[in-house]
Amino acid sequence: DARVTQTPRDKVTEMGQEVTMRCQPILGHNTVFWYRQTMMQGLELLAYFRNRAPLDDSGMPKDRFSAEMPDATLATLKIQPSEPRDSAVYFCASGRTGKTGELFFGEGSRLTVL
Amino acid sequence: KNEVEQSPQNLTAQEGEFITINCSYSVGISALHWLQQHPGGGIVSLFMLSSGKKKHGRLIATINIQEKHSSLHITASHPRDSAVYICAVSLVSGTYKYIFGTGTRLKVLA
Repeated sequence: DARVTQTPRDKVTEMGQEVTMRCQPILGHNTVFWYRQTMMQGLELLAYFRNRAPLDDSGMPKDRFSAEMPDATLATLKIQPSEPRDSAVYFCASGRTGKTGELFFGEGSRLTVL
Repeated sequence: KNEVEQSPQNLTAQEGEFITINCSYSVGISALHWLQQHPGGGIVSLFMLSSGKKKHGRLIATINIQEKHSSLHITASHPRDSAVYICAVSLVSGTYKYIFGTGTRLKVLA
């Protein structure tokens, strides 16, 4: 049963620490999204990759966030240094370009920055 | 004004009731998606619609492209249907950029 895998599921860290979240998209999918979900803002797009190339990261605070796809099976989202306002659930989603436009979401990584 | 609006924001129903959640959007879309998120859980795609109606079990989703409106219906609701239901639209075919509604929090009481 193909699914998007995210690690860690839960992360508690102190302000100023580096946080790295990882995502394994579904095999064969060539688009990857990172979303952040908070109670106040709902789901916000952070970054979007197609064929490993970043196409849109306008929603991402550039000074502390970075997103990469070292290879087709791994996407990473890094926060350095982390701040309490970064506390949220971070979702990765993958899909395949074409007419359907359907995305498959991971279980999310819940980040708490103290 | 949000480009994707859902109503109601919160909904409490008794087990067995017929439930309707509405979604209106103000932009041109290639598809509309209904997503489900259980408390503390991941996001699951329920339906993707570009026209007409789809049915899966007790869930029915409809879309009216001319009126820019979609509804999600749950027949014979059950406590396990309690979740947040999120409407999202994708703007251009194949780009996958979603605009999300704020979600409808559904609680079904036994």
